[in-house]
Order: sequence, then structure tokens, then C-alpha cells
Amino acid sequence: DGGITQSPKYLFRKEGQNVTLSCEQNLNHDAMYWYRQDPGQGLRLIYYSQIVNDFQKGDIAEGYSVSREKKESFPLTVTSAQKNPTAFYLCASSINPGPNYEQYFGPGTRLTVT
Amino acid sequence: KQEVTQIPAALSVPEGENLVLNCSFTDSAIYNLQWFRQDPGKGLTSLLLIQSSQREQTSGRLNASLDKSSGRSTLYIAASQPGDSATYLCAVISGAGSYQLTFGKGTKLSVIP
Repeated sequence: DGGITQSPKYLFRKEGQNVTLSCEQNLNHDAMYWYRQDPGQGLRLIYYSQIVNDFQKGDIAEGYSVSREKKESFPLTVTSAQKNPTAFYLCASSINPGPNYEQYFGPGTRLTVT
Repeated sequence: KQEVTQIPAALSVPEGENLVLNCSFTDSAIYNLQWFRQDPGKGLTSLLLIQSSQREQTSGRLNASLDKSSGRSTLYIAASQPGDSATYLCAVISGAGSYQLTFGKGTKLSVIP
């Protein structure tokens, strides 16, 4: 089955620790995205990548980092510099980075930092 | 800066009723508009994508319309079922370069059996 997988589904960390969220897709899509969802708010873009070895900051990139070493993988690291890391994180991909292509989403990872 | 608004925030209807969900956006220079469904604690499922040159798209019991000049879209759900209960999100792509989706906060739909 083709799709986007995110692991783990739930993640718990202590404040001050860095944590990496996994996102893998087997759709052969060029573009990948990370969004954050908070209760009562719309999804907000953290980072996106249009092609391997390239990525751009979204609206709320501070305290996050990404890498795109392989086409199918786009891991997100939540660093200790992120002031409010507890949220639901969603990864997405599209076949092409252009504006006319549908974005497909993974099942999400819920991160709780205490 | 693009802003997307969805009204109402929540909607409860009896099973079998036809219903309309509304989405508005402030900058009419969009590339496309996408409607998603989100079940509690889950990721997003894409329902319909409307290109800026299109007026509507249909999939089964769903019909989405787009009036770009007035900055509005509607999602029409015919003959609602309890399984349609979910949060429906509207998102647009606008602005050069980033091609990022700007989301509304969603409409939480409850279909009562």
C-alpha cells in the first residue's frame, strides 16, 4: 500500500530534550511538508522540502530543524529551543512542489513535553 | 497575509439532512482550494481539490464550489450519515514560491442518528 507513515503515534519527552519525529512516504512524491496542529487553531506550516537536500522554513520554524537526505524521508527534530512543543504534528507530501498538486497527509504524531 | 475562516465552528444535524459548510479567504489570488476531513486524533483525508480556474468539484455525495472573486467556497454534503461526523477543514494555496496550505480552523460536524 502506498502512503505516508509517521512514527510513533504518541511521544512523551521531558522538557529540555530534543526529539525527532519520523515521516516516511512510498508515493514517490518530490515535496514533503511538516505542519503543527494546536487545539482550536488551524494547521500551521513548520518546514517544507521541494526536493532532496533542499528545505525551506514555513511560518513557525523557530525551534525546529529538518533534513531531507532521501526522497522518501523527512524527519523533524523538535529542539529544546521550541517554547511550546506539545502539539499534534502532521507530515504531508505532494507529487510535485507546484501549487496545483494535492497534498496527502500522514496519521500524525502527538507529542507531549512535560 | 492570507486568512481562512470557516463558519460555523460546529454544526449538528439529523441524519439524512443536506448541509452546507462555508469557507472564506481574504486574498482571492489563490492557486487552489482543498477540503479535508479529520477524524478525532487522526490525520487529514483529502476530499476535494478545486483549481482556481474551476467552479466546482464533485465526489459522491460531496460537492465543493469555489467563487474566487468573492473569496468563498462551500462544501455541500447530501443525505448526511452518522459516518460523516468529523471536522472538515478548508485550505488554500496562495502566494508565490512556498505553495503552502493556509488552513481554516475547521467545522466540527455531528450527524445525529
